[in-house]
Amino acid sequence: DAGITQSPRHKVTETGTPVTLRCHQTENHRYMYWYRQDPGHGLRLIHYSYGVKDTDKGEVSDGYSVSRSKTEDFLLTLESATSSQTSVYFCAISESRTGGTEAFFGQGTRLTVV
Amino acid sequence: AQSVAQPEDQVNVAEGNPLTVKCTYSVSGNPYLFWYVQYPNRGLQFLLKYITGDNLVKGSYGFEAEFNKSQTSFHLKKPSALVSDSALYFCAVRDAPYNFNKFYFGSGTKLNVKP
Repeated sequence: DAGITQSPRHKVTETGTPVTLRCHQTENHRYMYWYRQDPGHGLRLIHYSYGVKDTDKGEVSDGYSVSRSKTEDFLLTLESATSSQTSVYFCAISESRTGGTEAFFGQGTRLTVV
Repeated sequence: AQSVAQPEDQVNVAEGNPLTVKCTYSVSGNPYLFWYVQYPNRGLQFLLKYITGDNLVKGSYGFEAEFNKSQTSFHLKKPSALVSDSALYFCAVRDAPYNFNKFYFGSGTKLNVKP
């Protein structure tokens, strides 16, 4: 398995509180991604990074921010959690500018906002 | 615009029979295509990919997929299904070179293999 660790694996938080999820990789891959998985929607891209301090929005970025200060760490922050952000969050990594390589996924973080 | 469609939410097949999970895509440039499998409470695992070359690609666990450029399809196949193949399957595409930073995923197809 690719060296990707997501933390925490499970979290319950209250509406309106900030939450930070962490993705740590040991593969030195350039690209890192945050997805959310919801029934009927498959995987939707929240934000991604193509290098240290280089990030961009995905299709469902509202209410989320990210930071990447080191190659190995990609943080996802829910600025003020809402019930609609209850989901399973996956981090993924990939290498190659040419797009030839696949993405490797972490084990996921199950977030419940009450 | 880039997109992936998996037209079947669920596919049911008997053990030992061939299986097909369908995927069609839309990209602006050249498609780099991928299949992933997800078991309950797990992350996605890579199965196979098409980048260029032979239209029939082989991957893990006996799966294969056929790239069809004219039909913009990349269907996943296996000659003889196993009960252990029951899982959620995702097709994904990368649009090279115009939008290669992102992977676009389909909504997933649940495969049920019955004994």
